[in-house]
Amino acid sequence: AAGVIQSPRHLIKEKRETATLKCYPIPRHDTVYWYQQGPGQDPQFLISFYEKMQSDKGSIPDRFSAQQFSDYHSELNMSSLELGDSALYFCASSLVQGIEAFFGQGTRLTVV
Amino acid sequence: GQSLEQPSEVTAVEGAIVQINCTYQTSGFYGLSWYQQHDGGAPTFLSYNGLDGLEETGRFSSFLSRSDSYGYLLLQELQMKDSASYFCAVRDSGGATNKLIFGTGTLLAVQP
Repeated sequence: AAGVIQSPRHLIKEKRETATLKCYPIPRHDTVYWYQQGPGQDPQFLISFYEKMQSDKGSIPDRFSAQQFSDYHSELNMSSLELGDSALYFCASSLVQGIEAFFGQGTRLTVV
Repeated sequence: GQSLEQPSEVTAVEGAIVQINCTYQTSGFYGLSWYQQHDGGAPTFLSYNGLDGLEETGRFSSFLSRSDSYGYLLLQELQMKDSASYFCAVRDSGGATNKLIFGTGTLLAVQP
């Protein structure tokens, strides 16, 4: 069965650069979530979309933005990268009434 | 604020039973989920409780008491492959979607 696909899997950027992370949700899932997970930390909610509209925002810095496109894929754009942005970034998708969120394998971002 | 507290580490031996507790304090509550995460991997769904009581799924069971803002995950017949981090997560209201707010995570080490 198709799963949530994230790209790239690994990304190395320098401070102050920009990064774009992509997420392709499971077909027919209407909800996408983005999470940030630092080393040894729990996943922190960043932002979610329902039917391509932003639904909720969590602890997402103003330097980050995200959108969901007509084909339901989503992108997380991160600008003016800081060392502290180094983390695993997960995308998850679900049905809005579903109880299970399906996570992608994540993008490991390293800022040097 | 919102908080979900779990023990940071638990150690057990193969074949044993272990219980991981979770206490929560959130602004909204639409059920308690449990996710497993192996090191560097994606969180994967284990169980969900929307109502009080016990839910059983194979070797894993989960319990919820909404009046006590408390739940637990019970793992039976432990296997080495169960060594992982376990997160409780509250489905919290957020626009059209119910985002997952994760607990602090419990690192389970299963020893031979």
